[in-house]
Amino acid sequence: QVQLQQWGAGLLKPSETLSLTCIVYGGSFSDYYWSWIRQPPGKGLEWIGEINHSGSTNYNPSLKSRVTISVDTSKNQFSLKLSSVTAADTAVYYCARGVRISHSVYYYYYIDVWGKGTTVTVSS
Amino acid sequence: DIQMTQSPSSLSASVGDRVTITCRASQTISNYLNWYQQKPGKAPKVLIYAASSLQSGVPSRFSGSGSGTDFTLTISSLQPDDFAIYYCQQSYSTPPTFGQGTKVEIK
Repeated sequence: QVQLQQWGAGLLKPSETLSLTCIVYGGSFSDYYWSWIRQPPGKGLEWIGEINHSGSTNYNPSLKSRVTISVDTSKNQFSLKLSSVTAADTAVYYCARGVRISHSVYYYYYIDVWGKGTTVTVSS
Repeated sequence: DIQMTQSPSSLSASVGDRVTITCRASQTISNYLNWYQQKPGKAPKVLIYAASSLQSGVPSRFSGSGSGTDFTLTISSLQPDDFAIYYCQQSYSTPPTFGQGTKVEIK
């Protein structure tokens, strides 16, 4: 059974850099895209970005200038860095496994495994 | 970005009721549409992918339909475990985007 375990600082000051890491236990690391998704308190879900085992990334354009997602395949880990945080970045951050199924010139994509989430609060 | 709009935002229903939630995309997305269930304090769980494919392990009372811009999640007979928030998500283009959620409450 695949499990994702995540960790990182939960309290930041404005302008600091958010840093989270997620380790994958079980299953194949190379067959999936590894994602970060966040959820502000009482609000909906926002996709931050993803990376595959070879280091290929895709980011949400709304966050792209501040986001870096990296991977360490030797440890089955991937990480998120979000720079220059503000109160608007306060959210529960989830690491997750993305499934891609090829279909025509596109692919179906959905999240099938999630970490438990890390609450990140940005406050002075 | 493709905007996803769900309706209603919340609903009250009784155990055994048939429940329908609608999701509309701001542009055509074929059938690149997923549905998730989220309970308080927990991560979401995928129910349906590709608009109508049931994820392994999900009860058959959940079903999805639609194509283009209009999609539906149906719970054929609501169970106590189904009271939660439901989100749709498009995967037609990057970034994947979610609807605002539909909260299903006990009547």
